Amino acid sequence: EIVLTQSPGTLSLSPGERATLSCRASQSVASTYLAWYQQKPGQAPRLLIYGASNRATGIPDRFSGGGSGTDFTLTIARLEPEDFAVYYCQHYARSSYTFGQGTKLEIK
Amino acid sequence: EVQLVESGGGLVQPGRSLRLACTGSGFTFGDYAMTWVRQAPGKGLEWVGFIRSKGSGGTTEYAASVKGRFIISRDDSKSIAYLQMNSLQIDDTAIYYCTRDDILRWFGESTDAFVFWGQGTMVTVSS
Repeated sequence: EIVLTQSPGTLSLSPGERATLSCRASQSVASTYLAWYQQKPGQAPRLLIYGASNRATGIPDRFSGGGSGTDFTLTIARLEPEDFAVYYCQHYARSSYTFGQGTKLEIK
Repeated sequence: EVQLVESGGGLVQPGRSLRLACTGSGFTFGDYAMTWVRQAPGKGLEWVGFIRSKGSGGTTEYAASVKGRFIISRDDSKSIAYLQMNSLQIDDTAIYYCTRDDILRWFGESTDAFVFWGQGTMVTVSS
């Protein structure tokens, strides 16, 4: 079973700053099946990135994803107030899905 | 407009059963696999399981934590996916979301991802 470990657990930044979130897999995974979601309090998650680096429909270009093998990143170029939320990476393999434990992005 | 609405949540005693429903609209329900994801209070997301479309066999897959206790089924004539939860335990307490499995394609590649989500229904297991 693949385990996804996200770091840091909490990231404190100010609007306008750059955020880099990490997702590390316990073994090498296909980047095709790596996605990122954003979740705000009281809301369902929203798909941001699929296939490790493709932005979902309607996602601003300040969000970008990258990585391969075991190390993946979500980068938010210039934080907007609405970007402060919890972010999850997710992987699909062998007919099951795995989520990372999440990174909370909070306003400094 | 694609919509997913979960229902059936509530308070249930440990060891009892509960059935959740996910009603879809705005799309041809039978063409899609449907997935359940849960989130315990203050915790992260946990995949529960999914059911493939009838065209892909209509088969199911489950997380180890619920396998043998939870059953996912579907009624495409009503555009509903069900999550039958048996032998409920305290740590099954969570918001349960249903999602539609979308196949996203780019430059000759494709992947599964969850574009559309319901608003979730809360299940509380407590005596």
